[in-house]
Amino acid sequence: DTAVSQTPKYLVTQMGNDKSIKCEQNLGHDTMYWYKQDSKKFLKIMFSYNNKELIINETVPNRFSPKSPDKAHLNLHINSLELGDSAVYFCASSLRDAEQYFGPGTRLTVT
Amino acid sequence: AQSVTQLDSHVSVSEGTPVLLRCNYSSSYSPSLFWYVQHPNKGLQLLLKYTSAATLVKGINGFEAEFKKSETSFHLTKPSAHMSDAAEYFCVVAGGTSYGKLTFGQGTILTVHP
Repeated sequence: DTAVSQTPKYLVTQMGNDKSIKCEQNLGHDTMYWYKQDSKKFLKIMFSYNNKELIINETVPNRFSPKSPDKAHLNLHINSLELGDSAVYFCASSLRDAEQYFGPGTRLTVT
Repeated sequence: AQSVTQLDSHVSVSEGTPVLLRCNYSSSYSPSLFWYVQHPNKGLQLLLKYTSAATLVKGINGFEAEFKKSETSFHLTKPSAHMSDAAEYFCVVAGGTSYGKLTFGQGTILTVHP
C-alpha cells in the first residue's frame, strides 16, 4: 500500500501554463507539506497544512497556491509557470509535528 | 532559527568498511533531529530520528546516530557498508516556533566501491 502518493510523477509543460500536482496520504496523518528540491538537491519547505489549515507559508511566489480539500489531500496549483519552477516537488505528511513521510516526488520541467 | 551543516558533500567507502557521515546543527530550542536517505530518482526515506530520549539512536538497515549536545553534532554511522547503501543522505533538524518545519542539510552523497 502506498503511504504518500503523488500524481503525476513527471510533468513537462511550457512557460506560462497552469498546472496542478496532487498528493494523497493514507496514514491517517493530520499535517501535510510541500517541499521543493532544486537542481542541487537542496530541499526547502514551501507550505504546510494542519487539519486543512495553512500553518507554514514560506517565501514562495503567489503563483503557487496549495489547496487542502480534506486531511488526506494536499494539492499544489502553479499559475504562469516559469523556467525557474523546474524542480522536483515532494509532498510529505506527519502526525502533528512528528517525523514526516515523503511521497515519491513529481519532476516538473518547464520549457 | 535553526540550521544544519553536513560537513562532507561526498563520502566514498569500500564495501564492508565503516561509514561516517557528519552533521552539525544549530537550534535555539531543544531540537528533533533526523536522517533521511534518498536513492536515485526516489523519494526520501526516514532512517532514524532523535527526539530527546536516548542519545544513541538506532535506525533501519544497520545505521546509528549519536546526539552530542556539547558538540552540536548528530553524526550517522554504520559498521559495514553495503553496495545498496549508495545514495544521498540528508541530516534534518526540526523544532522551534514553526510547527513541523524541517530544515535540511545540503546532503552527502555516499559512494560504495566493491
